[in-house]
Amino acid sequence: SAVISQKPSRDICQRGTSLTIQCQVDSQVTMMFWYRQQPGQSLTLIATANQGSEATYESGFVIDKFPISRPNLTFSTLTVSNMSPEDSSIYLCSVPRRQGRTEAFFGQGTRLTVV
Amino acid sequence: SQQGEEDPQALSIQEGENATMNCSYKTSINNLQWYRQNSGRGLVHLILIRSNEREKHSGRLRVTLDTSKKSSSLLITASRAADTASYFCATDAGYNTDKLIFGTGTRLQVFP
Repeated sequence: SAVISQKPSRDICQRGTSLTIQCQVDSQVTMMFWYRQQPGQSLTLIATANQGSEATYESGFVIDKFPISRPNLTFSTLTVSNMSPEDSSIYLCSVPRRQGRTEAFFGQGTRLTVV
Repeated sequence: SQQGEEDPQALSIQEGENATMNCSYKTSINNLQWYRQNSGRGLVHLILIRSNEREKHSGRLRVTLDTSKKSSSLLITASRAADTASYFCATDAGYNTDKLIFGTGTRLQVFP
């Protein structure tokens, strides 16, 4: 089973600043996913992080706001840029259990509060 | 867009009772999964049921799937206080993709 280390686990940030969330996987994976979970809500997919190419963003999410890096097959970062209180959420990274399978492992999440 | 709607939104029961959560989805699926989330932390995969299966068991978990009604249910038998968590159904986002679409979730509270 994959072990995913996500950090920071939580942060309180000032509006207008940016926060970069890191996700480290203990094995090589082709795809990594980034989700947002707004307070009391379900998970919404932000983007798919592909190694060696630009991330693929879902409708309603743009690269300028959520730039993603994927420098290698075990690591990815998500930056939440120019934050506002509406960005207060839990952000989670995820990897498929196995290539071509949809069951997923999740990081422990980053609880972000923007004040 | 949200694929699954779950009900109830919240459920409170006593230890030893059974908990049933329901999930409805909108489009054709290859499989449906259930995940558990403790206190807003990471999700843990519980069970997967394929579109050609009707029922699946794993320990105290029983999942059913009715593709004609586009619905699934998760039954936790003999619940424990440690089962207190949020439970989400998730469906694959389409053919040949690893993306998941999550339901709205059920918050389960099990009282000792």
